[in-house]
Amino acid sequence: SQTIHQWPATLVQPVGSPLSLECTVEGTSNPNLYWYRQAAGRGLQLLFYSVGIGQISSEVPQNLSASRPQDRQFILSSKKLLLSDSGFYLCAWSGAAGNEKLFFGSGTQLSVL
Amino acid sequence: SQQGEEDPQALSIQEGENATMNCSYKTSINNLQWYRQNSGRGLVHLILIRSNEREKHSGRLRVTLDTSKKSSSLLITASRAADTASYFCATDESARTALIFGKGTTLSVSS
Repeated sequence: SQTIHQWPATLVQPVGSPLSLECTVEGTSNPNLYWYRQAAGRGLQLLFYSVGIGQISSEVPQNLSASRPQDRQFILSSKKLLLSDSGFYLCAWSGAAGNEKLFFGSGTQLSVL
Repeated sequence: SQQGEEDPQALSIQEGENATMNCSYKTSINNLQWYRQNSGRGLVHLILIRSNEREKHSGRLRVTLDTSKKSSSLLITASRAADTASYFCATDESARTALIFGKGTTLSVSS
């Protein structure tokens, strides 16, 4: 069966520090991978998605970046965090066909202080 | 950008009552999906309805889709305290590969 792992669960970082959030998927190959962000009490904002290794589509211009070094690994990074980067970050995967149901990780609560 | 918009933003009901949430969207779609999120957790897929379908059932869930009105509704029958969560609709715009989510409806079911 397929599983998705996302870590860490919580993270407190000072403004200006770097960020690296990792997400890995098991039990499937060539998944579509996604990063979403959810502000407190708000909906999900699509940040990045990837349909293959090294293929990243950015939805929102910001100081975040994403990389997909391996088929089932998706990394969200920042060189210098801003206060506005605080939020709940969710990784998800879907089948390669796309637009089918998403399977979400358990999320990372990021607080930038 | 947000494609779907849920209504109401918050809903409080008693156990045993039915809960209805609505979703409106703006562009043509291939399918519409509903997800559930317990506080502080990831989202869980509930049901997917395709643009050529009008109604779909899954257990106590009933989803309708009206493409002429660009709207969908999620009905939870005989609600339970365990149904307390946020519910989101998500749509796929024609030329995109990723789902776009609405802001969600927060459902509170009291016993």
